[in-house]
Amino acid sequence: EPEVTQTPSHQVTQMGQEVILRCVPISNHLYFYWYRQILGQKVEFLVSFYNNEISEKSEIFDDQFSVERPDGSNFTLKIRSTKLEDSAMYFCASSEALGVGGEAFFGQGTRLTVV
Amino acid sequence: AQTVTQSQPEMSVQEAETVTLSCTYDTSENNYYLFWYKQPPSRQMILVIRQEAYKQQNATENRFSVNFQKAAKSFSLKISDSQLGDTAMYFCAFMKAYGGATNKLIFGTGTLLAVQP
Repeated sequence: EPEVTQTPSHQVTQMGQEVILRCVPISNHLYFYWYRQILGQKVEFLVSFYNNEISEKSEIFDDQFSVERPDGSNFTLKIRSTKLEDSAMYFCASSEALGVGGEAFFGQGTRLTVV
Repeated sequence: AQTVTQSQPEMSVQEAETVTLSCTYDTSENNYYLFWYKQPPSRQMILVIRQEAYKQQNATENRFSVNFQKAAKSFSLKISDSQLGDTAMYFCAFMKAYGGATNKLIFGTGTLLAVQP
Protein backbone atom coordinates (compact mmCIF):
# COMPACT_ATOMS: atom_id res chain seq x y z
CA GLU A 1 0.00 0.00 0.00
CA PRO A 2 1.41 3.41 -0.92
CA GLU A 3 2.45 5.57 1.99
CA VAL A 4 3.91 8.92 2.85
CA THR A 5 7.50 8.66 4.06
CA GLN A 6 9.39 11.22 6.11
CA THR A 7 13.07 11.54 6.87
CA PRO A 8 14.73 11.76 9.26
CA SER A 9 12.64 10.23 12.02
CA HIS A 10 14.46 12.32 14.62
CA GLN A 11 16.52 15.46 14.15
CA VAL A 12 18.43 17.28 16.84
CA THR A 13 19.66 20.75 15.99
CA GLN A 14 21.16 23.73 17.75
CA MET A 15 19.15 26.88 18.18
CA GLY A 16 19.71 29.24 15.25
CA GLN A 17 20.59 26.48 12.80
CA GLU A 18 18.70 25.76 9.61
CA VAL A 19 16.91 22.45 9.32
CA ILE A 20 15.22 20.73 6.39
CA LEU A 21 12.57 18.10 6.94
CA ARG A 22 11.90 15.83 4.01
CA CYS A 23 8.79 14.06 2.83
CA VAL A 24 7.95 11.84 -0.09
CA PRO A 25 4.20 12.05 -0.68
CA ILE A 26 2.17 9.36 -2.41
CA SER A 27 3.05 9.56 -6.08
CA ASN A 28 -0.30 10.45 -7.66
CA HIS A 29 -1.26 12.95 -4.96
CA LEU A 30 -1.53 16.62 -5.79
CA TYR A 31 -2.06 18.34 -2.44
CA PHE A 32 0.59 18.45 0.24
CA TYR A 33 0.56 19.57 3.85
CA TRP A 34 2.72 20.09 6.88
CA TYR A 35 1.35 19.86 10.40
CA ARG A 36 3.13 20.00 13.72
CA GLN A 37 2.39 18.64 17.16
CA ILE A 38 4.14 20.12 20.15
CA LEU A 39 4.45 17.49 22.87
CA GLY A 40 1.16 17.11 24.71
CA GLN A 41 -0.68 19.55 22.49
CA LYS A 42 -2.97 19.31 19.49
CA VAL A 43 -1.91 18.74 15.91
CA GLU A 44 -1.72 22.14 14.21
CA PHE A 45 -1.90 22.99 10.52
CA LEU A 46 1.14 24.79 9.15
CA VAL A 47 0.81 25.00 5.38
CA SER A 48 -0.80 23.48 2.32
CA PHE A 49 0.80 23.33 -1.12
CA TYR A 50 -0.71 22.76 -4.53
CA ASN A 51 0.47 23.35 -8.08
CA ASN A 52 3.90 24.44 -6.85
CA GLU A 53 2.64 27.16 -4.61
CA ILE A 54 1.35 27.66 -1.11
CA SER A 55 -2.46 27.51 -1.09
CA GLU A 56 -2.89 28.31 2.59
CA LYS A 57 -0.69 28.91 5.60
CA SER A 58 -1.33 29.40 9.28
CA GLU A 59 -0.09 32.24 11.46
CA ILE A 60 2.54 29.83 12.79
CA PHE A 61 4.08 29.65 9.32
CA ASP A 62 6.08 32.86 9.45
CA ASP A 63 9.08 34.00 7.43
CA GLN A 64 11.31 31.44 9.16
CA PHE A 65 9.45 28.65 7.38
CA SER A 66 9.43 27.72 3.72
CA VAL A 67 8.30 24.77 1.64
CA GLU A 68 9.20 23.52 -1.77
CA ARG A 69 8.87 20.56 -4.06
CA PRO A 70 12.30 20.62 -5.64
CA ASP A 71 12.16 17.57 -7.89
CA GLY A 72 8.54 16.52 -8.34
CA SER A 73 8.72 13.82 -5.69
CA ASN A 74 10.12 15.31 -2.49
CA PHE A 75 8.27 17.90 -0.43
CA THR A 76 10.41 19.76 2.06
CA LEU A 77 9.88 22.03 5.03
CA LYS A 78 12.76 24.36 5.87
CA ILE A 79 13.13 26.25 9.10
CA ARG A 80 15.79 28.91 8.58
CA SER A 81 16.79 29.75 12.13
CA THR A 82 15.37 27.29 14.62
CA LYS A 83 14.08 28.37 18.01
CA LEU A 84 13.54 26.25 21.11
CA GLU A 85 9.78 26.51 20.59
CA ASP A 86 10.11 24.84 17.18
CA SER A 87 10.71 21.56 18.99
CA ALA A 88 7.79 19.36 17.95
CA MET A 89 6.74 16.42 15.86
CA TYR A 90 6.29 17.50 12.24
CA PHE A 91 3.89 15.54 10.06
CA CYS A 92 3.72 15.60 6.31
CA ALA A 93 0.46 14.63 4.59
CA SER A 94 -0.78 14.34 1.04
CA SER A 95 -4.12 13.91 -0.64
CA GLU A 96 -5.21 13.03 -4.14
CA ALA A 97 -8.11 15.43 -4.42
CA LEU A 98 -10.12 18.02 -2.57
CA GLY A 99 -13.25 17.39 -0.59
CA VAL A 100 -14.29 14.26 1.20
CA GLY A 101 -12.70 12.02 -1.37
CA GLY A 102 -9.38 13.67 -0.68
CA GLU A 103 -8.47 11.71 2.40
CA ALA A 104 -5.22 12.94 3.91
CA PHE A 105 -2.51 10.31 4.26
CA PHE A 106 0.02 11.10 6.94
CA GLY A 107 3.65 10.20 7.31
CA GLN A 108 5.12 8.87 10.54
CA GLY A 109 6.53 12.22 11.47
CA THR A 110 9.90 13.78 12.20
CA ARG A 111 10.64 14.62 15.79
CA LEU A 112 12.59 17.88 15.81
CA THR A 113 14.47 18.74 18.97
CA VAL A 114 16.06 22.17 19.19
CA VAL A 115 18.71 22.51 21.90
CA ALA B 1 -12.69 30.28 12.96
CA GLN B 2 -13.38 26.64 13.57
CA THR B 3 -12.53 24.86 16.81
CA VAL B 4 -12.64 21.21 17.81
CA THR B 5 -12.86 20.11 21.43
CA GLN B 6 -12.21 16.68 22.88
CA SER B 7 -12.98 16.77 26.58
CA GLN B 8 -11.64 13.31 27.47
CA PRO B 9 -7.81 13.31 27.56
CA GLU B 10 -7.69 9.60 28.46
CA MET B 11 -10.06 6.68 28.47
CA SER B 12 -9.81 3.02 29.26
CA VAL B 13 -11.96 0.09 28.15
CA GLN B 14 -11.89 -3.65 28.63
CA GLU B 15 -11.31 -5.81 25.62
CA ALA B 16 -14.58 -6.74 23.82
CA GLU B 17 -16.49 -3.90 25.45
CA THR B 18 -17.85 -0.74 23.84
CA VAL B 19 -16.45 2.74 24.34
CA THR B 20 -17.57 6.17 23.16
CA LEU B 21 -15.20 9.07 22.57
CA SER B 22 -16.65 12.57 22.59
CA CYS B 23 -16.01 15.47 20.25
CA THR B 24 -17.69 18.84 19.88
CA TYR B 25 -16.90 21.51 17.37
CA ASP B 26 -17.77 25.06 16.57
CA THR B 27 -18.26 26.49 13.11
CA SER B 28 -20.44 28.89 11.19
CA GLU B 29 -20.10 26.77 8.05
CA ASN B 30 -23.07 24.75 6.86
CA ASN B 31 -21.15 22.30 4.69
CA TYR B 32 -18.17 20.51 6.17
CA TYR B 33 -16.68 17.13 6.92
CA LEU B 34 -15.77 15.51 10.19
CA PHE B 35 -13.21 12.80 10.75
CA TRP B 36 -11.80 10.54 13.38
CA TYR B 37 -8.13 9.73 13.02
CA LYS B 38 -6.26 7.07 14.97
CA GLN B 39 -2.61 7.54 15.92
CA PRO B 40 -1.11 4.27 17.20
CA PRO B 41 2.17 4.26 19.09
CA SER B 42 4.00 4.09 15.73
CA ARG B 43 2.73 7.69 15.30
CA GLN B 44 1.32 7.47 11.76
CA MET B 45 -2.20 8.87 11.75
CA ILE B 46 -4.78 6.72 10.01
CA LEU B 47 -8.28 7.73 8.99
CA VAL B 48 -10.88 5.73 10.91
CA ILE B 49 -14.14 7.20 9.73
CA ARG B 50 -15.57 10.27 8.00
CA GLN B 51 -18.93 12.03 8.09
CA GLU B 52 -20.30 14.51 5.59
CA ALA B 53 -22.34 17.19 7.35
CA TYR B 54 -25.10 17.17 4.72
CA LYS B 55 -25.76 13.49 5.39
CA GLN B 56 -28.12 12.77 8.25
CA GLN B 57 -27.22 9.10 8.37
CA ASN B 58 -24.43 8.30 10.78
CA ALA B 59 -21.32 6.80 9.20
CA THR B 60 -20.30 3.25 10.07
CA GLU B 61 -17.09 1.37 9.33
CA ASN B 62 -17.14 -2.16 10.74
CA ARG B 63 -16.77 -1.82 14.53
CA PHE B 64 -16.56 1.98 14.35
CA SER B 65 -19.61 4.21 14.16
CA VAL B 66 -20.36 7.84 14.84
CA ASN B 67 -23.20 9.73 16.43
CA PHE B 68 -23.40 12.98 14.47
CA GLN B 69 -25.65 15.63 15.95
CA LYS B 70 -25.39 18.63 13.65
CA ALA B 71 -27.57 20.99 15.68
CA ALA B 72 -25.62 20.22 18.82
CA LYS B 73 -22.30 20.26 16.91
CA SER B 74 -21.40 16.94 18.39
CA PHE B 75 -19.54 14.07 16.73
CA SER B 76 -18.82 11.10 18.95
CA LEU B 77 -17.05 7.88 18.00
CA LYS B 78 -18.28 4.51 19.22
CA ILE B 79 -15.93 1.54 19.13
CA SER B 80 -17.69 -1.78 19.56
CA ASP B 81 -16.02 -5.04 20.56
CA SER B 82 -12.81 -3.18 21.50
CA GLN B 83 -9.57 -4.91 20.56
CA LEU B 84 -6.06 -4.49 21.93
CA GLY B 85 -5.04 -3.02 18.57
CA ASP B 86 -7.47 -0.17 19.12
CA THR B 87 -5.12 1.25 21.74
CA ALA B 88 -4.09 4.62 20.31
CA MET B 89 -4.58 8.35 20.42
CA TYR B 90 -7.81 9.32 18.66
CA PHE B 91 -8.19 12.72 17.07
CA CYS B 92 -11.39 14.34 15.96
CA ALA B 93 -10.93 16.67 12.99
CA PHE B 94 -12.93 19.20 11.00
CA MET B 95 -12.58 20.23 7.38
CA LYS B 96 -14.49 22.90 5.47
CA ALA B 97 -16.28 21.65 2.38
CA TYR B 98 -15.18 24.62 0.31
CA GLY B 99 -11.77 25.60 1.50
CA GLY B 100 -10.17 26.61 -1.74
CA ALA B 101 -7.16 24.62 -2.90
CA THR B 102 -6.67 22.99 0.46
CA ASN B 103 -8.04 20.17 2.58
CA LYS B 104 -6.82 21.76 5.81
CA LEU B 105 -7.78 19.77 8.90
CA ILE B 106 -8.53 21.33 12.27
CA PHE B 107 -7.77 18.84 15.02
CA GLY B 108 -8.91 18.41 18.58
CA THR B 109 -6.44 17.72 21.38
CA GLY B 110 -6.98 13.97 21.20
CA THR B 111 -8.18 11.19 23.48
CA LEU B 112 -5.74 8.49 24.52
CA LEU B 113 -7.61 5.19 24.53
CA ALA B 114 -6.19 2.19 26.34
CA VAL B 115 -7.79 -1.19 25.73
CA GLN B 116 -7.16 -3.48 28.68
CA PRO B 117 -6.94 -7.27 28.27
